[in-house]
Amino acid sequence: DAGITQSPRYKITETGRQVTLMCHQTWSHSYMFWYRQDLGHGLRLIYYSAAADITDKGEVPDGYVVSRSKTENFPLTLESATRSQTSVYFCASSDFSRSYNEQFFGPGTRLTVL
Amino acid sequence: QKEVEQDPGPLSVPEGAIVSLNCTYSNSAFQYFMWYRQYSRKGPELLMYTYSSGNKEDGRFTAQVDKSSKYISLFIRDSQPSDSATYLCATSKGGSEKLVFGKGTKLTVNP
Repeated sequence: DAGITQSPRYKITETGRQVTLMCHQTWSHSYMFWYRQDLGHGLRLIYYSAAADITDKGEVPDGYVVSRSKTENFPLTLESATRSQTSVYFCASSDFSRSYNEQFFGPGTRLTVL
Repeated sequence: QKEVEQDPGPLSVPEGAIVSLNCTYSNSAFQYFMWYRQYSRKGPELLMYTYSSGNKEDGRFTAQVDKSSKYISLFIRDSQPSDSATYLCATSKGGSEKLVFGKGTKLTVNP
């Protein structure tokens, strides 16, 4: 499928477990982003990547790890999940070809940590 | 103080009403201003963008930026039930890959 996809769409896990959320885009966009969306906080940037093997922290990176070995994939790992990481996670991509940096979002992963 | 402030609402209006959604921002370095629309259980998608101050119109939607007061607005004319969604304002500095989002305003248009 063309576009940006996320998997799984829903995930329930337990405190302390490792969880990996997947993001895949077919546009060959150079930039990719991970956000979490919580009531009262809106969208907050966790990590972003300008290209394969280049990643940088966003506003709320603690407890998360990212990697980007291929342009099209940008997995997000919660090394030891905590209840405070219960959230909806969105992946986005951009080619930054326009000056205003339109970001294209995936459908989201709804994560519950028990 | 967050860099972008947006009243989360919720906002409920009758069909056909004019809707005004607003954000304020604090960083004068912001140059690009966007509105994203997010339907329930979906990812946000870009609705409109403006550069610097001024108005931009697209059908029933008008985006307005006043840099002197650091105020961003989105107006929806003749609102429809299909406009029911959460609207997020977003800004960025020139040349920056990062967007700063407001918290979003949930809008319901009642038939």
